[in-house]
Amino acid sequence: QKEVEQDPGPLSVPEGAIVSLNCTYSNSAFQYFMWYRQYSRKGPELLMYTYSSGNKEDGRFTAQVDKSSKYISLFIRDSQPSDSATYLCAMSRRRGSYIPTFGRGTSLIVHP
Amino acid sequence: DVKVTQSSRYLVKRTGEKVFLECVQDMDHENMFWYRQDPGLGLRLIYFSYDVKMKEKGDIPEGYSVSREKKERFSLILESASTNQTSMYLCASLPPPDRVTDTQYFGPGTRLTVL
Repeated sequence: QKEVEQDPGPLSVPEGAIVSLNCTYSNSAFQYFMWYRQYSRKGPELLMYTYSSGNKEDGRFTAQVDKSSKYISLFIRDSQPSDSATYLCAMSRRRGSYIPTFGRGTSLIVHP
Repeated sequence: DVKVTQSSRYLVKRTGEKVFLECVQDMDHENMFWYRQDPGLGLRLIYFSYDVKMKEKGDIPEGYSVSREKKERFSLILESASTNQTSMYLCASLPPPDRVTDTQYFGPGTRLTVL
């Protein structure tokens, strides 16, 4: 079993839909949780970052962490065609030496 | 303002050639990483470095080596390129997680084709 599991999709939704992207993990030592967005033929860019459990909101994006279930989510409200990209979750277990573990990424397609 | 640059966006090499991929960051980060990204396999860590002249193997180091002579520069070397090393190579420069900001951490990638 991989440390971080992420459904590769693709996930196809109509414009304006609420999108839910998820990752599960097995290592309870993970404390830092990130979401990256990667457009085609580009490098990933950091989208959201949370520490420990709870929610974090930034505009149309909400990141949610449930450490008891080892489950993290990224919600996108009012999705736009420009949100079409691959979304990768990443997590890290400790301070200092920062070695993130990535999910495989979920391909999202928002069609007009 | 680009924070992480990679020497080439596209590269075509022949089997057996020695290939150098360079990455430069201007964020004064200690930790730098080389990944390769393949469809269905996600990001796989090749090597990382947490300081000048320091290097550690990642999950798939075979066929690769690295060099970190200066803090801002991390080079990936394919000693003798093979067709199964055709891939997208991504360099990352990452701070400790308690100093994460919205700064761009990954380079734009180098798409390497080995013929």
